[in-house]
Amino acid sequence: DAGVTQSPTHLIKTRGQQVTLRCSPKSGHDTVSWYQQALGQGPQFIFQYYEEEERQRGNFPDRFSGHQFPNYSSELNVNALLLGDSALYLCASSRGQGISGQPQHFGDGTRLSIL
Amino acid sequence: GENVEQHPSTLSVQEGDSAVIKCTYSDSASNYFPWYKQELGKRPQLIIDIRSNVGEKKDQRIAVTLNKTAKHFSLHITETQPEDSAVYFCAASSSGGSYIPTFGRGTSLIVHP
Repeated sequence: DAGVTQSPTHLIKTRGQQVTLRCSPKSGHDTVSWYQQALGQGPQFIFQYYEEEERQRGNFPDRFSGHQFPNYSSELNVNALLLGDSALYLCASSRGQGISGQPQHFGDGTRLSIL
Repeated sequence: GENVEQHPSTLSVQEGDSAVIKCTYSDSASNYFPWYKQELGKRPQLIIDIRSNVGEKKDQRIAVTLNKTAKHFSLHITETQPEDSAVYFCAASSSGGSYIPTFGRGTSLIVHP
């Protein structure tokens, strides 16, 4: 039973560029959430996708966008990269959007470095 | 929105000692509280969770307590082992927020052999 998988594992970009990160949820999960984790901080919620629509959004600018595909996999896109976007980007999946106490399962993350 | 405070930021113990990590939350509507363990360079892993209709939950050496009135919850690890060394995150969520967890800033637990 495959868990949450993310690609790529590491990425180096320069300011102003655009990046796409990918996530495949755990088998049986249909909800995907994205988080940004800066060094020494807890994960910060970016947005959540369910039934191919963005359902919840955290306090992130619209440079951060996403997509969910019919097979429940998801992409995170970040435009006009800033130095402050350097972080570990985590994808988490769960079963059913908004269902009481459904734990989120995390992937290993994508380490994004902006030069 | 929800705000979760976590203390201490660093905790150093000797192998075999107990460790306690404390969190407070601000939103009285929060009713689901997961705890995650994150080893260096690895994914956060759920280790235990508690719902607001329960005051305490235990799983082998790990226990979590919840005080809804005071809006705080704690993680207790007994008989610590070097492999318990990691960063631990508490989180709080509610149905109003579609159970999107708000995380604390983490506690770096170091267990010395």
